[in-house]
Amino acid sequence: DTGVSQDPRHKITKRGQNVTFRCDPISEHNRLYWYRQTLGQGPEFLTYFQNEAQLEKSRLLSDRFSAERPKGSFSTLEIQRTEQGDSAMYLCASSSLQIITGELFFGEGSRLTVL
Amino acid sequence: AQSVTQPDIHITVSEGASLELRCNYSYGATPYLFWYVQSPGQGLQLLLKYFSGDTLVQGIKGFEAEFKRSQSSFNLRKPSVHWSDAAEYFCAVAPYSGAGSYQLTFGKGTKLSVIP
Repeated sequence: DTGVSQDPRHKITKRGQNVTFRCDPISEHNRLYWYRQTLGQGPEFLTYFQNEAQLEKSRLLSDRFSAERPKGSFSTLEIQRTEQGDSAMYLCASSSLQIITGELFFGEGSRLTVL
Repeated sequence: AQSVTQPDIHITVSEGASLELRCNYSYGATPYLFWYVQSPGQGLQLLLKYFSGDTLVQGIKGFEAEFKRSQSSFNLRKPSVHWSDAAEYFCAVAPYSGAGSYQLTFGKGTKLSVIP
C-alpha cells in the first residue's frame, strides 16, 4: 500500500494558463474524489468517480474545470484559463466500495498558486 | 443540505492536559460522522468515525469522540495531549449510504497548538 500520490506537489502559474494535476489512488480502490482546500477552510468537494464513471460533480466545478479517470485508475484534474481565485490546495482521495462513505484516504495535495 | 460547525478556530493546550474539540452538525437523518487530522505537509488522516451503535467511539492515537444526537454534536477528546498532536483537526459529515451522494462535508477546522 503506497498510499495516494499526487503530482505535482506545487504548481505556480500565470493567470490565464492551463494546469493539470494527476492523482494515483491506492491500487485496489475504485472510488476517487477531488477536493479543494483554501486557506482557513476545510476541504470542499469537487467531484467523485466510481471506476471510470464521474458520478457526482459539485457546483464549485465550473466549466473551466474538467476531471477524468479514463481507465478507472489514475485521474487528472485540469483547470483552463486559471484565475487568481483558483489558488488553493487540490486534494485527491480514494476509497473502496467495501468501506463506508466518508472513510477516505487522502493524498498530500497539489498546491496551486496563480499569479 | 448537510453542514458542520467547528466553533473554535484555534486552541492552545499544555502538554499533558486534556483536550476537547467541538463539532456540531446539521443533517436531516442520522449522519456518518468523522474526525480527520491534517499535520503540516501531510495528507488528511482519519482519526475515527461513527455511523451506528455505541455513541462513544475510539480512534487512533488515543482519541475518542462522543455522538450526542440531542445536541447534534460529535466532540473529539483526548485525556492527555502530546506535543505531536499539534495539527489541524477537521470534523466531517457524510450522507448515509443510499442517499445518492458521496460528498463529505468538512468543518473549517480547529488548529491545535501544544505548549511544551
